[in-house]
Amino acid sequence: SQQGEEDPQALSIQEGENATMNCSYKTSINNLQWYRQNSGRGLVHLILIRSNEREKHSGRLRVTLDTSKKSSSLLITASRAADTASYFCASMNSGYSTLTFGKGTMLLVSP
Amino acid sequence: DAGITQSPRYKITETGRQVTLMCHQTWSHSYMFWYRQDLGHGLRLIYYSAAADITDKGEVPDGYVVSRSKTENFPLTLESATRSQTSVYFCASSIGGAGDEKLFFGSGTQLSVL
Repeated sequence: SQQGEEDPQALSIQEGENATMNCSYKTSINNLQWYRQNSGRGLVHLILIRSNEREKHSGRLRVTLDTSKKSSSLLITASRAADTASYFCASMNSGYSTLTFGKGTMLLVSP
Repeated sequence: DAGITQSPRYKITETGRQVTLMCHQTWSHSYMFWYRQDLGHGLRLIYYSAAADITDKGEVPDGYVVSRSKTENFPLTLESATRSQTSVYFCASSIGGAGDEKLFFGSGTQLSVL
């Protein structure tokens, strides 16, 4: 079963705009991770935020975590065409000791 | 510098045939994973391994077999392929348990079962 669910399923913006993707999860987590997948490629880790953190930055990426709402958001500022990809959140599933991924948000950044 | 490699990149097979997907990592990571990616389902865990000779089922293990005789290799075998196993398969590895460690993914194997 899916632990995380991303919203929206698809997002289309212009270069220079900000992109925000949301992730909701069901059970308590130790941390939450975000990954990017370019078309036809494997996933690449972007950022990990622990349950005791509220916000984390990495370059143009900003991730927030609200454990009371069981949700996280990924903000990409000043988007570029190269940011076009699918973005997934992942968290530990209480049934296993492994990561469970959401279905992803497909981001299209137009020049 | 190879990291984690999967082979083959593309595979076409027929129903009922046995097929093995290979995964090799050069980092000596303890954990290795197999996921399948399908439209509408995202990534789903098939099997994982915490170390050589230790494997465990994931969310969708039926119809698959894994082995891990060496730390660096984690092959996935479809014993009798079915059309429902048409998918993109990703191998991944991590230093420790996936909950606290990031995963490194291979480029995937696109499998078509006719």
